Amino acid sequence: KQEVTQIPAALSVPEGENLVLNCSFTDSAIYNLQWFRQDPGKGLTSLLLIQSSQREQTSGRLNASLDKSSGRSTLYIAASQPGDSATYLCAVSHRNEKLTFGTGTRLTIIP
Amino acid sequence: GAGVSQSPSNKVTEKGKDVELRCDPISGHTALYWYRQSLGQGLEFLIYFQGNSAPDKSGLPSDRFSAERTGGSVSTLTIQRTQQEDSAVYLCASSPTARQKLFFGSGTQLSVL
Repeated sequence: KQEVTQIPAALSVPEGENLVLNCSFTDSAIYNLQWFRQDPGKGLTSLLLIQSSQREQTSGRLNASLDKSSGRSTLYIAASQPGDSATYLCAVSHRNEKLTFGTGTRLTIIP
Repeated sequence: GAGVSQSPSNKVTEKGKDVELRCDPISGHTALYWYRQSLGQGLEFLIYFQGNSAPDKSGLPSDRFSAERTGGSVSTLTIQRTQQEDSAVYLCASSPTARQKLFFGSGTQLSVL
């Protein structure tokens, strides 16, 4: 059974700093990995999707990397802003097309 | 609408009553997922629809839970004889096809008293 772990569970950093969020998964037989953000009381917004054959994806200040063989992904956020405060979740997609989610990292950017 | 729409946004019900939750996916999206998010917990997969294929119901926690998707579009999640442990946010998501970027609705907050 696939298990997805995100460490740390919570992170606070001053505005302007670069930061890295971590995601690890136990079964490397994945099709893709997605990073989402969730604001309080809201649904999830997909940020980046990395196919299993890719090493990284970039969107603006966000960069996600994938090391499938070691079961790890990172989400790098450059020049953090207060608006980046949210819970960030990673999810992996399997052959059976279901996504398994991590429990998330709650990020707070301190102005 | 442009996004995934879920209704109601909030539902308060009494233990033992039945509830129906509705999801209207993005037009043209063939894949539709239901997830449940309990307080402080991760997202729990419930059920997955892909086109005209038989749905993957492997995540439904008990036979009190059922879902259907009519005409490949709107989906309804039904919970019969609700229990307090059913209280959670029920999230619906759709994607153009399987294993593509997911678009989530804002969820239905279900509270069973």
